[in-house]
This record gives sequence, C-alpha cells and structure tokens, in this order.
Amino acid sequence: ETGVTQTPRHLVMGMTNKKSLKCEQHLGHNAMYWYKQSAKKPLELMFVYNFKEQTENNSVPSRFSPECPNSSHLFLHLHTLQPEDSALYLCASSQDTQYNEQFFGPGTRLTVL
Amino acid sequence: QKEVEQNSGPLSVPEGAIASLNCTYSDRVSQSFFWYRQYSGKSPELIMSIYSNGDKEDGRFTAQLNKASQYVSLLIRDSQPSDSATYLCAAVSGSARQLTFGSGTQLTVLP
Repeated sequence: ETGVTQTPRHLVMGMTNKKSLKCEQHLGHNAMYWYKQSAKKPLELMFVYNFKEQTENNSVPSRFSPECPNSSHLFLHLHTLQPEDSALYLCASSQDTQYNEQFFGPGTRLTVL
Repeated sequence: QKEVEQNSGPLSVPEGAIASLNCTYSDRVSQSFFWYRQYSGKSPELIMSIYSNGDKEDGRFTAQLNKASQYVSLLIRDSQPSDSATYLCAAVSGSARQLTFGSGTQLTVLP
C-alpha cells in the first residue's frame, strides 16, 4: 500500500444512486488529482486541486462533483451516472503541481448498472 | 492526435533478457517524463522519472531521453517474471503542466 488511500475499493451503483469516493494522502503533499481509467484507454485526468483550490476540470460531466476540504482529503461525489462511467477511478497526489511525480492510490472499481 | 504514444504490445521477452519499452511525445516543450508500472488489477506505481537528455539508471532500470527526437525509452535489464506488467509512459505537457499518459505497453517475461 502507498501513502495514498482510497475508499471504497469496489462500488456498484444504480443510475439513480448518489455515492461518494474518498481519497486521503499521508505524504504531506499539496496537490491531488482524480483520474479515470477505462479498459484499453489511457488514463484520463479529471480534476486537479493545488493547495485546496481546483486548478483543472478537464470537461468532466457535472454528474461528477469533486470536493477538496483540505490538502490531505479529496472526494468525488457521484450522481445519476451512466453505465459508460464504469471504470477504475484513481486518486493521486504530488508535492504540488510544479513537481509532477505523482503517487497513486489503489483505486475504486466502479460499476454502474 | 495522441500526445503520448506507446506500442501497446504485448511484448514478450525471456527471463534474463533486456526489455526495451519505447514512447514518443508530441509536445516539444515537455520537460518532465515518467515511467509507471501497473500490475493487473492494481494502480500505477512510479518507477522512473527523467528530466534531462541522456540516460538515467536505477538498479535494473534505465530511462533514456532524447528531446530532439521526442523519444523516451525504458530498458529493463535481467528481466524477471515479476516484471510482467503494463508500463505507462507519461509526459508533462501544456501550459497547465498536466501529466499526459500513453496507453501503456504490456510486458510479459517468460520463465
């Protein structure tokens, strides 16, 4: 296990459910990231937070809503998802966005029915 | 157009051989490059970073960067079955300095 933890590790939800993914980093970093990894596709950056401020939103649909209450915690709130949103959701952290050595959590495997 | 390209493989090498993984990138101003290893069902693990032209060695791993050719490679010497994984190349690109990943190369080391 790395210094980045994610819960839950697996999540199955219906299209009308609301759920949240949680990420916590114990590395003293200031930047945190959400990525989506689908089969046979490159990692897709979703959101970037640097010192708790959102600095990037890569045209992510509004059914995904991030929250970063402090530099150690990051959430991804999910509502009215689509089956094509099923994927591995990865959280990562780095010292800040100037130093891009990013360390990943174990991921949440999401299945939308 | 993909910004970071890798051969998807699969690449198979016998145990003890040198595995060579290649990556090209399109953003000429990219300055930072990374190799991640991802075992099946696991998350990516950072194994090498390289910022300057030339070679960087860390144990059995050597990263090579050629900015003129926009080319990054990873050599794994004395390959072991435990090296079997997907290797992701990533480059920092764009004014926002985002980390862009390639699709990965699947490596299998045959005992």
